[in-house]
Amino acid sequence: GESVGLHLPTLSVQEGDNSIINCAYSNSASDYFIWYKQESGKGPQFIIDIRSNMDKRQGQRVTVLLNKTVKHLSLQIAATQPGDSAVYFCAENSDSWGKLQFGAGTQVVVTP
Amino acid sequence: DTEVTQTPKHLVMGMTNKKSLKCEQHMGHRAMYWYKQKAKKPPELMFVYSYEKLSINESVPSRFSPECPNSSLLNLHLHALQPEDSALYLCASSQEEWTGGTYGYTFGSGTRLTVV
Repeated sequence: GESVGLHLPTLSVQEGDNSIINCAYSNSASDYFIWYKQESGKGPQFIIDIRSNMDKRQGQRVTVLLNKTVKHLSLQIAATQPGDSAVYFCAENSDSWGKLQFGAGTQVVVTP
Repeated sequence: DTEVTQTPKHLVMGMTNKKSLKCEQHMGHRAMYWYKQKAKKPPELMFVYSYEKLSINESVPSRFSPECPNSSLLNLHLHALQPEDSALYLCASSQEEWTGGTYGYTFGSGTRLTVV
């Protein structure tokens, strides 16, 4: 399933399925993007990042896609596990204009 | 050591109390940040320190007073807080100000503050 991370929506995913979390970023000058995972009671944990000179980057079970034309970022989680249940935030940054700007977040709930 | 350590993890304080939050990192990062996070909301920037000097104050009320004693430590002094200041206070660090580096901005686990 898909979800747009604008108003902290909830994405329910069955264990073992793939998750897609979307994020629309605001500034066309942003050149660095990060996905964070935040579990209840903890701080944001770095998942993966991507610079604007790339359109895809893969990590362990995660892939980030960047579409600069429409200012869209997505995080794909393969074979979602119960431990993936958390709030996911995208964040954008530019070394030239500074400030890490966070998106609203998406709550991911993994069901057995 | 690739962590940002925050203490205490939980803090309950009265509106007339004075307390301090502490943050420590030993990654050699020269920029440190304080964020405030309300439930179900993204973190909001409060302060930025770069090379131990205050770089950004996001118009934070004076009842919050940051301090950077050295390149590894960041404190947030609290005085005469209001109940609406109750939140998760997060510390983060990065190699340089607004330069994410290899692992972006590293966040601590936060201090859960309740003002009564």
